[in-house]
Amino acid sequence: QQQVKQSPQSLIVQKGGISIINCAYENTAFDYFPWYQQFPGKGPALLIAIRPDVSEKKEGRFTISFNKSAKQFSLHIMDSQPGDSATYFCAATPNFGNEKLTFGTGTRLTIIP
Amino acid sequence: DAGVIQSPRHEVTEMGQEVTLRCKPISGHNSLFWYRQTMMRGLELLIYFNNNVPIDDSGMPEDRFSAKMPNASFSTLKIQPSEPRDSAVYFCASSPGGIRNEKLFFGSGTQLSVL
Repeated sequence: QQQVKQSPQSLIVQKGGISIINCAYENTAFDYFPWYQQFPGKGPALLIAIRPDVSEKKEGRFTISFNKSAKQFSLHIMDSQPGDSATYFCAATPNFGNEKLTFGTGTRLTIIP
Repeated sequence: DAGVIQSPRHEVTEMGQEVTLRCKPISGHNSLFWYRQTMMRGLELLIYFNNNVPIDDSGMPEDRFSAKMPNASFSTLKIQPSEPRDSAVYFCASSPGGIRNEKLFFGSGTQLSVL
């Protein structure tokens, strides 16, 4: 059972453009939504995260938009740079104990010059 | 801090052999996780420990897989006997945050190839 659905599977964006990756979840108990960034040969690393009490969170060129009623959240990368080329994973975890992150299937982002 | 340290970085073995993957979490972190990453299935949680105690091993694919955490600074994931379908990248991650484990710190992974 896939609790977090991520799209697209791969994405090519021109340098300077906006990259958008979408995720949808089913479990209404989820209350923490992080995004992880993974470069080739490395483990995933936390990029940015949001809780459902806000609709948007921005850190530099990275923004999470959250729509609680639609059970969707997305990552926007503004002014995309070649160094942003990586695989991005959305994730979610619920608000009760002894649980763990559920990851989406990942999006391979390529920024072309 | 050196981060989460995994060894070996690459492992090539033949079907039927025993494979042991090792992990040293970040000092002071209470939780440790083993993940498997494949193209088909993405990141799958295999098992996680809290304060050296296994909390959830429901992701362990079958009895061929076992994991131990004898102390706060070391964990192993063992596959015996290994099969070609076990070929994947295995990640260890640790977290400072107790049971909720919101922020994970991943190691660089072990690329396992079973021939």
